[in-house]
Formats: sequence, structure tokens, C-alpha cells
Amino acid sequence: GENVEQHPSTLSVQEGDSAVIKCTYSDSASNYFPWYKQELGKGPQLIIDIRSNVGEKKDQRIAVTLNKTAKHFSLHITETQPEDSAVYFCAASMAAGNKLTFGGGTRVLVKP
Amino acid sequence: GAVVSQHPSRVICKSGTSVKIECRSLDFQATTMFWYRQFPKQSLMLMATSNEGSKATYEQGVEKDKFLINHASLTLSTLTVTSAHPEDSSFYICSANSGGRASVYGYTFGSGTRLTVV
Repeated sequence: GENVEQHPSTLSVQEGDSAVIKCTYSDSASNYFPWYKQELGKGPQLIIDIRSNVGEKKDQRIAVTLNKTAKHFSLHITETQPEDSAVYFCAASMAAGNKLTFGGGTRVLVKP
Repeated sequence: GAVVSQHPSRVICKSGTSVKIECRSLDFQATTMFWYRQFPKQSLMLMATSNEGSKATYEQGVEKDKFLINHASLTLSTLTVTSAHPEDSSFYICSANSGGRASVYGYTFGSGTRLTVV
């Protein structure tokens, strides 16, 4: 089955700096890659997703890149703010409807 | 946007009792529901996938007789933890997918249920 590795497990950045989280996946059949933000005691919230027919997607301060050949995708957060502090999860599935396989998560701390 | 309501948000139960967790899709029909368990500082682990009107598919290692899943309607799925023990204490999260609307909403997660078995 699919295996998703996520790095780093923790990330501390100064407010205003950029944060980058990287994920690799094992199943070349995967073609849907969402990113979630989870705050303490809450369910994950989708922040951005990308499909395999696209190499990059951007939404304001958040961007995701996908390299299907290398089987890795990354989340980029620019101009970080304290409210960006949370746990971020990458995930992969074979279609936007099949089960998701999650990475291990990255705890991001944005220091004011 | 798509909303999934999950209840209760927190529950404490005695060892040996059963607990039911509900997930409702409020503004769309959820053809598929996923149930996850999350231990502290860990990732989400899929427990089972349920499709409306059919039996749930459980992941390897998940006891189907202990974690009963019912998806009797397109807007409601329930997870019942039977004969709960302290090791079942965890954060349980549901996720719904609307099938045809997946391209718009992807997966929508509930807010989670913190189960503590004492």
C-alpha cells in the first residue's frame, strides 16, 4: 500500500520567514495530494491540494509543488504569522474520493 | 462549503461500556465516510471506510466487532466503540466525501471526538 513520509517533524521559524515541509510517497498510482492544518483538539482543515496533472498551485501565502517523477511534493508558506502555528499533514490518495494515507505530521511554531 | 458535524466532542466513559460517535454531513450527501483514530502527537490512522448502505471495510488490525460502523443514510455515519477499555482512549475523527463533488471539496473532516475510558 501507499506510504507517505513527511519531514521535518518539527519546524520553528521567525515570524515573516518562510516555512517548507516536504513529503515523499511510494505509490506511483497516487494522483491527489492534499495538505491539512490541524489545531489542538480539532479536526484537520484542508489548506491546499494538488492533482497529478499540475506541477504547482498557489493560494495567497501558501503554495504546493509536485514532482511526480521523484514522487515528492512540498508545502511552502511565505510571510509566516503566529496564527500559522499548528500541525500540518500531507496526504496522498489514488483519487479524490479514495482513502487518504497521511504523513507523520510537522509541528510548526512561528515565533513572534 | 461542505460541513461535517461530529458529536460528541468529548466523552468520558467507564471501562466496559459502549460509546457512540456520530458524524453528519450537513449540506451534502456523503457517499463515503472514513473513520480515523489519532493518538497524541501522532498522525491520523485510518480505521475503516464505509459506503452508504453497505458494510464497512476495516483496515488491517482493526477489530470490526469492537468498532461498529453504521452508514445507514447519505448524511449520517456512526462509530460505536463497544466494551471500551483504557487503551481505546484516543481522538476519533470522521471524514466524508461527496463522490461527485470530490473535485470541489475533496474530503471534509469532522471536528473530532476525544474519548477517555476510565
